[in-house]
Amino acid sequence: NAGVMQNPRHLVRRRGQEARLRCSPMKGHSHVYWYRQLPEEGLKFMVYLQKENIIDESGMPKERFSAEFPKEGPSILRIQQVVRGDSAAYFCASSLDRWAGELFFGEGSRLTVL
Amino acid sequence: EDQVTQSPEALRLQEGESSSLNCSYTVSGLRGLFWYRQDPGKGPEFLFTLYSAGEEKEKERLKATLTKKESFLHITAPKPEDSATYLCAVLDTGRRALTFGSGTRLQVQP
Repeated sequence: NAGVMQNPRHLVRRRGQEARLRCSPMKGHSHVYWYRQLPEEGLKFMVYLQKENIIDESGMPKERFSAEFPKEGPSILRIQQVVRGDSAAYFCASSLDRWAGELFFGEGSRLTVL
Repeated sequence: EDQVTQSPEALRLQEGESSSLNCSYTVSGLRGLFWYRQDPGKGPEFLFTLYSAGEEKEKERLKATLTKKESFLHITAPKPEDSATYLCAVLDTGRRALTFGSGTRLQVQP
């Protein structure tokens, strides 16, 4: 029973390039959350999605960041025109139900912007 | 705005030396408080859910307790494999996602 799968695990981009991070939730889970973790800091909520819908994007920066969770395929977090401050670990989590506090996290995607 | 504050930031214990980690929180209404463990380079792993003041949960050497303003994670006779960062999170009744604290980095030396 595969857990939450994230790829790539490591991604290096130069300033101005685009980064695409993918997340496949656990089988049967339709709720996906993206969190960002800066070095020595806690997890910061970015966005909560269900299939084909963005439910809560209150933690997403207003510009350059977008997320989707299509009917088929993984959830994608897209960062356009990356800057050095975007360097962080991006974690995806999934849950079976909404209002869920028991989240299943992936191993994370570590973005480094040169 | 929800606030979750964990203390201490870092804790070094000798194997067998019991201690407690603190998580204080401010929310409009508490739907639940959650403890996670995170190993270096890994994603957080769920440990406990607490819903109401007075509730306690146990798992091996760990016990989590909850009051109206804070939660404690008690570690009894820790072993080196308990070394990790322990994260506390709250789910506010008015929110749809967890708010995490910054964590306590625990190191247990043999």
